[in-house]
Amino acid sequence: EAQVTQNPRYLITVTGKKLTVTCSQNMNHEYMSWYRQDPGLGLRQIYYSMNVEVTDKGDVPEGYKVSRKEKRNFPLILESPSPNQTSLYFCASSLSWQGLSEQYFGPGTRLTVT
Amino acid sequence: GQQVMQIPQYQHVQEGEDFTTYCNSSTTLSNIQWYKQRPGGHPVFLIQLVKSGEVKKQKRLTFQFGEAKKNSSLHITATQTTDVGTYFCAERKAAGNKLTFGGGTRVLVKP
Repeated sequence: EAQVTQNPRYLITVTGKKLTVTCSQNMNHEYMSWYRQDPGLGLRQIYYSMNVEVTDKGDVPEGYKVSRKEKRNFPLILESPSPNQTSLYFCASSLSWQGLSEQYFGPGTRLTVT
Repeated sequence: GQQVMQIPQYQHVQEGEDFTTYCNSSTTLSNIQWYKQRPGGHPVFLIQLVKSGEVKKQKRLTFQFGEAKKNSSLHITATQTTDVGTYFCAERKAAGNKLTFGGGTRVLVKP
């Protein structure tokens, strides 16, 4: 089944404890992206990647890191999480950054930083 | 700040009635994508509009892109309980495939 998977789905952590949220897609998509969703703000793009080893900042990249060593994986790293990073995070992928770029979203990761 | 504004933020609709949600921008949009997110779920792509004045239909859903490409609308006829969810519009920038989402319209249907 074609899908985007994220792990973990839920995470409660403490300020400053490094964490990684994994994202994987099995559709051979070139483009992958991370978003955070907060009430009233819609989805805001954190980072995106147009292909392996090519990443770029979205609208809210501060406090986050990403890497794209393989086409299928695009982990989101929080080196020193803070309470303002408490949010619902979505990973998404699309076939290409060109033309119609329908994005397929993962199920989401709900992160709470205390 | 947010470049794509959606109104209304909330919409309570009686089952069977029609409603429209709007997406507005102060600048010309490259294109518009619409997504639907069910409660507790993830966004699901509905459609993309590219051309000025474009109109597309999906069953009871009608999507429109303004002539000046500064606004878009989603009109749902004969609302059903399955229409419950949050509808987002998003602009896909021509360069780099960066997506900017609106704040969404949360739709609640009264049976």
